[in-house]
Amino acid sequence: NAGVTQTPKFQVLKTGQSMTLQCAQDMNHEYMSWYRQDPGMGLRLIHYSVGAGITDQGEVPNGYNVSRSTTEDFPLRLLSAAPSQTSVYFCASRLAGGNEQFFGPGTRLTVL
Amino acid sequence: EDQVTQSPEALRLQEGESSSLNCSYTVSGLRGLFWYRQDPGKGPEFLFTLYSAGEEKEKERLKATLTKKESFLHITAPKPEDSATYLCAVLRARDKYIFGTGTRLKVLA
Repeated sequence: NAGVTQTPKFQVLKTGQSMTLQCAQDMNHEYMSWYRQDPGMGLRLIHYSVGAGITDQGEVPNGYNVSRSTTEDFPLRLLSAAPSQTSVYFCASRLAGGNEQFFGPGTRLTVL
Repeated sequence: EDQVTQSPEALRLQEGESSSLNCSYTVSGLRGLFWYRQDPGKGPEFLFTLYSAGEEKEKERLKATLTKKESFLHITAPKPEDSATYLCAVLRARDKYIFGTGTRLKVLA
């Protein structure tokens, strides 16, 4: 099992550009989530999904969009990048009947 | 307001010098408390889940304990490879996870 994979590992954008962060898992987990991690703050939930076709907003959803067309993939779209979105982004997944989340290696995003 | 606070923010230990990290929480409807290890440039790696006061879990040099207000991660005779950031998180009602800001542990040889 590869677990949770994320691409790219690093990305630099200019203000106003859009891009998609990719996340995939091969553990057949129903639940998938996107978090951002900023210095001095705990991981904060952006969006999450409890299954294919079902998504919902987390704590800090503004400026981000998600969709879940398959169980395996959960991409995160930045619609118009802003410097405030400079952060490290983590994707996580878990079983619907479990509580332990498993995290990907992260994407470090810089918006200039 | 639901909150998770970890202390200390940073900790430097000599190899073999045992210590404890603290995670205090105020949350309604606690469904579980989790400890993760995070190495620089990596994602959090799951360590333990604790569900009820009095519960303890062990893994190598690490032992996690839980009371009604806090959890401790005890590190016995640490080695330099134990150096990492340790994150605490709680799962509350409505499937919401709340993360602490972590304790940065450095173990010196």
